[in-house]
Amino acid sequence: KAGVTQTPRYLIKTRGQQVTLSCSPISGHRSVSWYQQTPGQGLQFLFEYFSETQRNKGNFPGRFSGRQFSNSRSEMNVSTLELGDSALYLCASSLFSGLSYEQYFGPGTRLTVT
Amino acid sequence: AQSVTQLGSHVSVSEGALVLLRCNYSSSVPPYLFWYVQYPNQGLQLLLKYTTGATLVKGINGFEAEFKKSETSFHLTKPSAHMSDAAEYFCAVTEGSGGGADGLTFGKGTHLIIQP
Repeated sequence: KAGVTQTPRYLIKTRGQQVTLSCSPISGHRSVSWYQQTPGQGLQFLFEYFSETQRNKGNFPGRFSGRQFSNSRSEMNVSTLELGDSALYLCASSLFSGLSYEQYFGPGTRLTVT
Repeated sequence: AQSVTQLGSHVSVSEGALVLLRCNYSSSVPPYLFWYVQYPNQGLQLLLKYTTGATLVKGINGFEAEFKKSETSFHLTKPSAHMSDAAEYFCAVTEGSGGGADGLTFGKGTHLIIQP
């Protein structure tokens, strides 16, 4: 069974631009969560989607948004990019929502904002 | 609010020696606790998790962890280190009851170095 895939793997954007990252969960998984990883702040929870609905959201500004499609694929969008948005963005999928279900992480998208 | 403290950003052990990575948590309700490993340029892989029941949890690659409520700790151990264990290790906690994903709160991570 294929794992969680994230595209693109690497991305360079300019401050002020917007960016969209994509995540394809493991087949059959319906929950997708997003995390931001930076050297300074570590790993931080962004949001979680289940059945096309946002279930929970971390403490991030409204510039960070996401959505989930009927096939469970998810996208996250960051508008008006800032230098501090440079990070590794990780996506994780699980069978259902709720932490009784193991989360499987993708390799991440490395975003660099210049 | 929940939080995780990992003592030691870098831990160095000799190959074959005991590995001990420390994790202390803060949670207002019984927590779910996790250890993840991250190899360079890869995502996170779950090593083990504690939800309820037995406090000594065995995971993959010979790792285990013990939940000690009185000490609010969930330290990760492995009896004999292998070169392939060199990686970044993250402890995480959530107060999710299973009815919804509240998101994982991660520690800052511990970089494990294995000396030949």
